[in-house]
Amino acid sequence: DAGVIQSPRHEVTEMGQEVTLRCKPISGHDYLFWYRQTMMRGLELLIYFNNNVPIDDSGMPEDRFSAKMPNASFSTLKIQPSEPRDSAVYFCASSLDRGNYGYTFGSGTRLTVV
Amino acid sequence: QKEVEQNSGPLSVPEGAIASLNCTYSDRGSQSFFWYRQYSGKSPELIMFIYSNGDKEDGRFTAQLNKASQYVSLLIRDSQPSDSATYLCAVGRWAGGGNKLTFGTGTQLKVEL
Repeated sequence: DAGVIQSPRHEVTEMGQEVTLRCKPISGHDYLFWYRQTMMRGLELLIYFNNNVPIDDSGMPEDRFSAKMPNASFSTLKIQPSEPRDSAVYFCASSLDRGNYGYTFGSGTRLTVV
Repeated sequence: QKEVEQNSGPLSVPEGAIASLNCTYSDRGSQSFFWYRQYSGKSPELIMFIYSNGDKEDGRFTAQLNKASQYVSLLIRDSQPSDSATYLCAVGRWAGGGNKLTFGTGTQLKVEL
């Protein structure tokens, strides 16, 4: 089991540029979650999917953020245009059984917007 | 009031001692409770979860839940330097068919030799 795979590990971009973060969940997991972690706010849920369908996007901060899950093995989180306040670590997590037994997190993408 | 509150620490304990980490939550509809460990620069990893009032033990770890007081704790017995990390409390509520976890900002634990 390769775990939840995220890419890239680090991303440095200039303000105004488009950023795309990628995630491959654990095979067979039907729930996928995107979180953002900052020192000030901790881990915040942005959006989650069930069977590739977005269920709750109430945590997406603004229209600059969008997420897709075109199939069971791939999801993207896009920020366009990026701003310095978007700098954070973005984690993807997946789970079975509706997440009743917790989630498995990927290694994260550290995003720096300059 | 934050949904999930933890003391940020650091909590320092000597090696071999019991570390006690605490968490309170505001949503009485919360149904599941989790403890994650996060080493610096790494991703959170699940330690254990608890659903019912009382204690649940797993090796050196014991989770305690008191829904009436809206309080969750994690005890680590025989603390080791390798336990030094940030411990995240997460509270789950079913929403939209899934278990939506809300995390606290974590307590930093330092186990000293």
